[in-house]
Amino acid sequence: GAGVSQTPSNKVTEKGKYVELRCDPISGHTALYWYRQSLGQGPEFLIYFQGTGAADDSGLPNDRFFAVRPEGSVSTLKIQRTERGDSAVYLCASSPGLAGRETQYFGPGTRLLVL
Amino acid sequence: DAKTTQPNSMESNEEEPVHLPCNHSTISGTDYIHWYRQLPSQGPEYVIHGLTSNVNNRMASLAIAEDRKSSTLILHRATLRDAAVYYCILSRGATNKLIFGTGTLLAVQP
Repeated sequence: GAGVSQTPSNKVTEKGKYVELRCDPISGHTALYWYRQSLGQGPEFLIYFQGTGAADDSGLPNDRFFAVRPEGSVSTLKIQRTERGDSAVYLCASSPGLAGRETQYFGPGTRLLVL
Repeated sequence: DAKTTQPNSMESNEEEPVHLPCNHSTISGTDYIHWYRQLPSQGPEYVIHGLTSNVNNRMASLAIAEDRKSSTLILHRATLRDAAVYYCILSRGATNKLIFGTGTLLAVQP
């Protein structure tokens, strides 16, 4: 079946602009996660959803970052007033549930470049 | 969040077994041990996970120490396609938030 997909695959924007990154999880997966990966580093947790609600948003760096999952499927990560330091690969993952034994399936990521 | 310690890099020859170590001395009773790998320009990919007992799947084996303070990922016959960054991660039983470290960069020589 289809895996996790993310769009766009690449996004170039200017400092101060607003961007939206989209994640389509595997059908039927109730848990959805966003991570951010800077060059040479491991992925950094941002937020996860169980259904429509954000179960843990402790990884969001500041209030410029916001994520939604209104119908419990597709999720959008929104970044306001982008800064050059926001440049990174944004990864989305989904899993069947939230238990610690569940496997997370990752998408290919969106490469964001803020000029 | 419990932390893991891995070597920064390792090398292997093609067709030989590879043992990737991971220390997690602060592991708690409900923490699962997960291994993911990341090939260049791709998202992380699940490899294997376990709780207390050793585990085998088509990709690898996971050997967990009796006190659970360390584990070893075993690739039985390394191929060039196994060259990647391997992450050892602990996830708490009630949640599934993955806290990645910097992982081990595995190079496989032909």
